[in-house]
Parts: sequence; C-alpha cells; structure tokens
Amino acid sequence: DQQVKQNSPSLSVQEGRISILNCDYTNSMFDYFLWYKKYPAEGPTFLISISSIKDKNEDGRFTVFLNKSAKHLSLHIVPSQPGDSAVYFCAAANAGKSTFGDGTTLTVKP
Amino acid sequence: DGGITQSPKYLFRKEGQNVTLSCEQNLNHDAMYWYRQDPGQGLRLIYYSQIVNDFQKGDIAEGYSVSREKKESFPLTVTSAQKNPTAFYLCASSPTGFSNQPQHFGDGTRLSIL
Repeated sequence: DQQVKQNSPSLSVQEGRISILNCDYTNSMFDYFLWYKKYPAEGPTFLISISSIKDKNEDGRFTVFLNKSAKHLSLHIVPSQPGDSAVYFCAAANAGKSTFGDGTTLTVKP
Repeated sequence: DGGITQSPKYLFRKEGQNVTLSCEQNLNHDAMYWYRQDPGQGLRLIYYSQIVNDFQKGDIAEGYSVSREKKESFPLTVTSAQKNPTAFYLCASSPTGFSNQPQHFGDGTRLSIL
C-alpha cells in the first residue's frame, strides 16, 4: 500500500506559466514534507519543505501548500523556466524516515 | 567541497555473487541512508543509520546488508539472496536523523546483474 502518491507521472507547461505538482499521502503520522528535484544520472536535490503545523511555505519561485485535512500537498513553481525541467519527488517524513512518491516529470517548453 | 561520493557509477556482476556499493560523505553528518530506485518508481528505503555502529532495516532490507563502522562511510552489500538486484542505488545523508532535515544524495550506482 503506497503511503505517498503522485498521481501525475508527467506534466508539461509553457515557459512563464505556473507549474502545479500534486502529492497525496495516507499516514497522518507524517510530520514533515519535502520536495526534491532530480536530473537524469544525478541524485535528487532538496528543493523546499513544510512542517505539518504549517499550511504554506515559500522560497522564491517555489511555494508548497499543505492541506492536512485532505492529506494533500502541492508544489507551485511561478514562473516556470526551462531549467525547471526535471523529475520532482514528494517525500513525507516521520521519526527520521522519509517515504517517497513515484515522481512527476515536469517539462517546461520555451 | 563537501558531498557524498558513491562508487562506482556503474557496476556489473554475475548472478549469485555478492557485491558491495561504496558510499562516503565528508559533510560530518550523523545519519546515512540507502535507497533503491526502479524505473518509473520512487525511492524505497533499504537501510538507515542514525549514528555510528548502529543501523536499522528499512522497507526492503531483505537480501541486503550494511555496516557503519565509521561516521563517513556506509557501504551496502547486495547479497545473492536478493532476488532482483538490478536497480539504481542511492545513498544519502542528513545532519541528524530528525525528520525536518533534508537529505543530501550522492549521484547513485547503477547495478546490473548479468
């Protein structure tokens, strides 16, 4: 049973527009949520995170929203740039262990 | 330049042989992790260690073994008991084992069993 799900395997947006990546989770014990970005043949790199006691965290072009009642989080990228094209993983953490979703491949077209 | 080094980048082994993947970090992090990634899937936790000389099984530990004798090193052995070892393996570390600390990843080792 997958505890963290990213239901969209891929997303394509035009440069300058908003990219919205979604993630759902089932375990209410998760207390921290993180987004990682991964380029081919490289390891993931940390992008942004949010504590379970908050509903929004912003860092430049990246904003993460958390809806605890719906067990849903989303990553907004505004404006999207071609260099944002990568695989984005959502992760949910509890007791020091992270559970990852399957990833969403974002393509930003010039 | 601090980071995590995984070697080798590509590894080929014959079926039935044990193989050890190297992971070294110079970030002075206490916690280290091993993940497996299969095509189109997310990262699944194999083993993790929050302090030297201590480690715990993750979600898919069967067929794998680890050691943590030094803070900077966390090698992973893929044994012949692992039924389907061909995969991409990622090592990560974090300052401590707390959930609010992002993990830093190496660039991975792609293991292929011939």
